[in-house]
Amino acid sequence: EAGVTQSPTHLIKTRGQQATLRCSPISGHTSVYWYQQALGLGLQFLLWYDEGEERNRGNFPPRFSGRQFPNYSSELNVNALELEDSALYLCASSTVWGRRNTEAFFGQGTRLTVV
Amino acid sequence: AQRVTQPEKLLSVFKGAPVELKCNYSYSGSPELFWYVQYSRQRLQLLLRHISRESIKGFTADLNKGETSFHLKKPFAQEEDSAMYYCALSLDNYGQNFVFGPGTRLSVLP
Repeated sequence: EAGVTQSPTHLIKTRGQQATLRCSPISGHTSVYWYQQALGLGLQFLLWYDEGEERNRGNFPPRFSGRQFPNYSSELNVNALELEDSALYLCASSTVWGRRNTEAFFGQGTRLTVV
Repeated sequence: AQRVTQPEKLLSVFKGAPVELKCNYSYSGSPELFWYVQYSRQRLQLLLRHISRESIKGFTADLNKGETSFHLKKPFAQEEDSAMYYCALSLDNYGQNFVFGPGTRLSVLP
């Protein structure tokens, strides 16, 4: 079974540009999470999508946005890129049983570099 | 607010020595705790979860609700245990379903 896949693996953008990161969850998983892993800062929660809706977002500015498609894949968009947006962006997926999520499976991440 | 703390950024032990990675949480509801591990050049993966009460790769973790802790322990560390370890809290209502701690880098020396 394929795991969570993210594309591209690496992305280099110029300050002020927009970046689009993509994530395909494990088949059958309806929840997708996005995390930012900046150097030395650990995992910071960005966004959570489930069944096509944004369920929650972390403490990030509105220029971080995304969406989830009917096939449960997801996009993360970062507008007006700043140098400090350089980080590894991780996507994770899980199923939702009732109101509690189960184990999250992570992708390999997209390394975004803003120059 | 829900929060997970891991007081040690870096923990170095010698091979064969016991290891304990500390994790404390703050949450008013019924917590579900996990340990995730990230080996060099590999993706983040689940190590263990408290509800399964299992031992993975020799690691165990006990949820102590009185002390709000979920420390990860292994009696004899191996070099291949060197990795980044994250403690995570899963909430039981719609919210930020996974709250991760800042992580502890374990280095097992030969």
